[in-house]
Amino acid sequence: DAGVIQSPRHEVTEMGQEVTLRCKPISGHDYLFWYRQTMMRGLELLIYFNNNVPIDDSGMPEDRFSAKMPNASFSTLKIQPSEPRDSAVYFCASSLDLGKSPLHFGNGTRLTVT
Amino acid sequence: GDSVTQMEGPVTLSEEAFLTINCTYTATGYPSLFWYVQYPGEGLQLLLKATKADDKGSNKGFEATYRKETTSFHLEKGSVQVSDSAVYFCALSDRGAGGFKTIFGAGTRLFVKA
Repeated sequence: DAGVIQSPRHEVTEMGQEVTLRCKPISGHDYLFWYRQTMMRGLELLIYFNNNVPIDDSGMPEDRFSAKMPNASFSTLKIQPSEPRDSAVYFCASSLDLGKSPLHFGNGTRLTVT
Repeated sequence: GDSVTQMEGPVTLSEEAFLTINCTYTATGYPSLFWYVQYPGEGLQLLLKATKADDKGSNKGFEATYRKETTSFHLEKGSVQVSDSAVYFCALSDRGAGGFKTIFGAGTRLFVKA
């Protein structure tokens, strides 16, 4: 099993540019999560999907953030336009179910907005 | 609401020392409890879990017991190694009126000196 795969590993962009982060979950996992990690705020859940349907997006900071899951093996998180305060590590995770099954995290995308 | 509190770090130990990282939680339901570990440049990975009261999770010499009476899930290891240096996160998963949530503690950084 290849695990959760995220790309790119690092992204450096200028303020105002569009950023797209990509994630391939573990095959067979019905749930996909996007998290953001910063020193100040720790790990924050942004949004999660069940069977490709967004269930809870209450953690998405503002309208500049959007996420899609067009099929069971691919999801994107888009920031448009990006701002310096969006600089963080963004993690994708997947799991078999909610509650008892653990989350399987990718290695993250480190985003720097200058 | 639900919350997880873990001891602040960093924790610095010498190799072969005994490790305890405290974790307490508040929850409205009957959560599952987890410890995750994060190595530099990587995503979080499951270390151990417990899904009901008095369960003991264990892995790689680490242990934690789900104590409902004290709402705690302290992580212990009898003899740490340099390779255990990482950030450790306590987490709970709970299904409440507002839906599913996984809540992470702030993380505790562990340094082990040779």
